[in-house]
Amino acid sequence: EVQLVESGGGLVQPGRSLKLSCVASGFTFSNYGMNWIRQAPGKGLEWVAYISSGSSYIYYAETVKGRFTISRDNAKNTLYLQMTSLRSEDTALYYCARHSPRRGYFDYWGQGVMVTVSS
Amino acid sequence: DIQMTQSPSSLPASLGERVTIICRASQGISNNLNWYQQKPDGTIKPLIYYTSNLQSGVPSSFSGSRSGTDYSLTISSLEPEDFAMYYCQQDASFPYTFGAGTKLELK
Repeated sequence: EVQLVESGGGLVQPGRSLKLSCVASGFTFSNYGMNWIRQAPGKGLEWVAYISSGSSYIYYAETVKGRFTISRDNAKNTLYLQMTSLRSEDTALYYCARHSPRRGYFDYWGQGVMVTVSS
Repeated sequence: DIQMTQSPSSLPASLGERVTIICRASQGISNNLNWYQQKPDGTIKPLIYYTSNLQSGVPSSFSGSRSGTDYSLTISSLEPEDFAMYYCQQDASFPYTFGAGTKLELK
């Protein structure tokens, strides 16, 4: 059974940093691209970042480019999102999601981890 | 960036009813359109990929289609568990973008 479990969220002050993790199990993590997607309270879904299976290709949403860094450790089956210079508008539930090998859709999602940016 | 316009934002419907949700892209996306369901507890699952392909395990009451620039998600006969939020998403190019969502609620 495919499982994606996020962690590392919490309350952080504006301008500070936070690092999210997503531990994958039930599939060969090193064979799949991965994504972070977020949802602000009461709002819709926003794709944040993508990383290919071998980390060769990385893409970001403009809203986080230069502040967030997606990375992965295939030996640890773990996806990361390093978030710096956090803003109140980064407050959201952050999901990690597996990139389908067939098309560019998200075929498995975690339950999400909450990040609140507030003083 | 490709903008996805999803309608309606809210859809009151009854059990057994047939409903359709529409997404329109701001530019051509060549069928690279996917649909997701989000339950009130936040759980998200894929329903349809590449316009009309049913994700494994999704009931056949769900279907997807395209007419010109409009992409549709249709539920042929609503069950209680279908009342949820629905989002479209394009994967034609980065940055991937979602529609604003449709809340399917019991009339």
